[in-house]
Amino acid sequence: GDSVTQMEGPVTLSEEAFLTINCTYTATGYPSLFWYVQYPGEGLQLLLKATKADDKGSNKGFEATYRKETTSFHLEKGSVQVSDSAVYFCALSERNTDKLIFGTGTRLQVFP
Amino acid sequence: DTGVSQNPRHKITKRGQNVTFRCDPISEHNRLYWYRQTLGQGPEFLTYFQNEAQLEKSRLLSDRFSAERPKGSFSTLEIQRTEQGDSAMYLCASSPMTGLFGELFFGEGSRLTVL
Repeated sequence: GDSVTQMEGPVTLSEEAFLTINCTYTATGYPSLFWYVQYPGEGLQLLLKATKADDKGSNKGFEATYRKETTSFHLEKGSVQVSDSAVYFCALSERNTDKLIFGTGTRLQVFP
Repeated sequence: DTGVSQNPRHKITKRGQNVTFRCDPISEHNRLYWYRQTLGQGPEFLTYFQNEAQLEKSRLLSDRFSAERPKGSFSTLEIQRTEQGDSAMYLCASSPMTGLFGELFFGEGSRLTVL
């Protein structure tokens, strides 16, 4: 079945460092891809999305590009802030469904 | 606050007891979902409603679990004869009919601890 694999955490960075969180997927069709973020004490929030190959999703300085050839959707940010400390989940949904399949999450800790 | 609301936020119960969680979705969101999240894992899909109709149920949803969405508004998730393995965070999410598939709005969750 479809699945999502993301790098284990925690990822620990200093403020203004470059961030990459790897995510790869397995899917039989052409899924949409998402990054969700969970800040401490809050619910999951959609961070960014991409619906087809080569699409780039972006939001709040974060970016991820849908790479069909490598089945990847890596999350990047050029300069992280302490406020970016959270758990990041990569997810996919098969075409025309809302059923999300999530990775295990990656905790990001940013220190001043 | 017009977000997804879940109650109670935390429930501690003894094994064998029944528990019920309530979810109030964002107003006018037709779709409603329940997910379960255990420690160190991502959320896992449990069930999905479109208006009042329950359209899909995961194999994770044993016969001890039942979900309803009367009148297509709020939803309840009941767990009968709880087991320690039911301890988890139960997440509710909603989305509008016209929204992008997969773009869900999540509540803060209801944490269940079964002793």
